[in-house]
Amino acid sequence: GESVGLHLPTLSVQEGDNSIINCAYSNSASDYFIWYKQESGKGPQFIIDIRSNMDKRQGQRVTVLLNKTVKHLSLQIAATQPGDSAVYFCAERAGGEKLTFGTGTRLTIIP
Amino acid sequence: DAGITQSPRHKVTETGTPVTLRCHQTENHRYMYWYRQDPGHGLRLIHYSYGVKDTDKGEVSDGYSVSRSKTEDFLLTLESATSSQTSVYFCAAHPGTATDTQYFGPGTRLTVL
Repeated sequence: GESVGLHLPTLSVQEGDNSIINCAYSNSASDYFIWYKQESGKGPQFIIDIRSNMDKRQGQRVTVLLNKTVKHLSLQIAATQPGDSAVYFCAERAGGEKLTFGTGTRLTIIP
Repeated sequence: DAGITQSPRHKVTETGTPVTLRCHQTENHRYMYWYRQDPGHGLRLIHYSYGVKDTDKGEVSDGYSVSRSKTEDFLLTLESATSSQTSVYFCAAHPGTATDTQYFGPGTRLTVL
């Protein structure tokens, strides 16, 4: 986790506020998308996924929005908590069983 | 987490030595993957397996080989380690049915001096 790097895009959010993390994908043939959370020193952890036949999907405190017109994916985290501090990245599947990953956004929670 | 473990978790080795990393899963997932994670590159696929003895190359396979003799184990070998292979290596697994999500192991930090 910590090797992801210091030059990631960073988002700082006040504790209790909502966070929105964005991801642009490149392949219009992608049919499946995943958001992962990676804490320092750990492996990526699945948060939520969405298929291309959907625009929105909700989980516990998280919502993923998919805009296929502009090839954009977003992750919304409600009522952000200190434990939400991590690197978040999206992944897309464009056929087969392989994923392509974005480089990630570092979310920092301000107490 | 699909019961994925990786060993060793940390390794320091010298240029030119062979290194084998092991990934073990307990969920009988069909697909297994090896990735490396480096600053500015995110996760990049090295090799993957779609069944016992069935493997294929990913985007950064040069200098790496893999083997899968049992469903639960997927080995990544660096035949002759180079400093450019210093990285964090992650294994992932995917059942191939019911869900398309890949689940990741905790990672192995490899340093090649």
